[in-house]
Amino acid sequence: NAGVMQNPRHLVRRRGQEARLRCSPMKGHSHVYWYRQLPEEGLKFMVYLQKENIIDESGMPKERFSAEFPKEGPSILRIQQVVRGDSAAYFCASSPLQGSHEKLFFGSGTQLSVL
Amino acid sequence: QQQVKQSPQSLIVQKGGISIINCAYENTAFDYFPWYQQFPGKGPALLIAIRPDVSEKKEGRFTISFNKSAKQFSLHIMDSQPGDSATYFCAASKGDDKIIFGKGTRLHILP
Repeated sequence: NAGVMQNPRHLVRRRGQEARLRCSPMKGHSHVYWYRQLPEEGLKFMVYLQKENIIDESGMPKERFSAEFPKEGPSILRIQQVVRGDSAAYFCASSPLQGSHEKLFFGSGTQLSVL
Repeated sequence: QQQVKQSPQSLIVQKGGISIINCAYENTAFDYFPWYQQFPGKGPALLIAIRPDVSEKKEGRFTISFNKSAKQFSLHIMDSQPGDSATYFCAASKGDDKIIFGKGTRLHILP
C-alpha cells in the first residue's frame, strides 16, 4: 500500500512562472490537506479538500494560490506568478476520516525554490 | 499570533539520556495534542498523541505529559538513541478543525 505520493520532489522556478505541485493520497483516502513549511518554522495549514470540493481554505493566500482535487487524478496546488517568498517545502497529507485532521499521513514534500 | 509555542528550538542529548521537549498552548478549546517526528527529506509522521482527559500517555520510550491547568504538554524520550535524531513538532487541534503546529525542535542524540 503506497503512501502519500508527491511530485516533483524538487521544483525550481523563476520569478513570475507558475508552479504546479501534485499529490496522490493513500489508497482509500479521499481527504487531502496541504501544508507549507518555511525554514525554522512549523507547518502552516493551507487548504483542506475532498474530492471536487474545497472544505477549508482559510490558510491559503488570497492571491496567486489555488488548489483542486478532481474526481479523477491527483490533488494539485497551483501557485501563479511565483515570488521568492514562495520558496518553501510544501507537504500534502491525506486522511481516511471525514472531517478529521487527526489521522494524517504526510507525503515527503515538494521543495520549491524560486530564483 | 502563535497558538502553540514549542521549546527549545534545538536540543542535544547524550545517548541513553532523557530528551524533553515542551509545548504551551493558548486555546482552551483544543482537545487533541499530537507529536510528529520528521526526518530530513521526509514528511512528518505521527509519533504519539494525547487528549486532555488524561495526564500522561506512554508508548514505548515515548511519553506525553499533559498539564491542563497550565496549558502545557511535553514529550519525553527515554533512553534516547542516535536514531531518534530528528525534528519534533507538537501540535493541537479542536474538534474537526485544522491541526496547528509548533515551530519544531531539532533533536540531536550524541552517539
